[in-house]
Amino acid sequence: QSVLTQPPSVSGAPGQGVTISCTGSSSNIGAGYNVNWYVRLPGTAPKLLIYVNTNRPSGVPERFSGSKSGTSASLAITGLQAEDGADYFCQSYDSSLSGVVFGGGTKLTVL
Amino acid sequence: QVQLQESGPGLVKPSQTLSLTCTVSGGSIRSGGYYWSWIRQHPGKALEWIGYIYYSGNAYSNPSLKSRVSISVDTSKNQFSLRLNSVTAADTAVYYCARGVSTDDYFNSWGQGTLVTVSS
Repeated sequence: QSVLTQPPSVSGAPGQGVTISCTGSSSNIGAGYNVNWYVRLPGTAPKLLIYVNTNRPSGVPERFSGSKSGTSASLAITGLQAEDGADYFCQSYDSSLSGVVFGGGTKLTVL
Repeated sequence: QVQLQESGPGLVKPSQTLSLTCTVSGGSIRSGGYYWSWIRQHPGKALEWIGYIYYSGNAYSNPSLKSRVSISVDTSKNQFSLRLNSVTAADTAVYYCARGVSTDDYFNSWGQGTLVTVSS
């Protein structure tokens, strides 16, 4: 059971958009801690996708955007491309656990 | 572009100590503003933060693992290491090393990960 809850899977057709949710609680996202997002292609190292809720590292397309509200955060991907098919996971900090916490991960399938 | 690479045994016997090293290249482990972390993922499960260390040697670990975890740094070799004592099958996982940004607690560089299996 992950501290941050993500849907196990989402899917969308090429060109469409999807949103991946990340639900936390009052000791992590709701406490104001930042949410970060990562993507992992099979057999590769995880890669930072969004940091501090809404920021994209250099090289990440504008199709990827992050938002945060209350005890939840979301990752939105527009204009889906075949290469977007991967695992996405969120991360924050939890004050009651005194450490970094992750979501369970969401597998994106581009139909 | 900093790169991280995990190394160590892929098979550890129950009750023994798991030891992994992360070698940092393309940048100095002494760089300010970062910490050096270990994260693992059990098969089919979520990522789990194990702990991190600053180049100064100050280390912090997940309270659920704290009694079994030791993280150290060797700045002369640009490496940091993980030791996990008294392992069981529940410690079988892919272990990642990663660089964390200390001001905002996110990880901007990761190693490829190494599978460690605990089995007799």
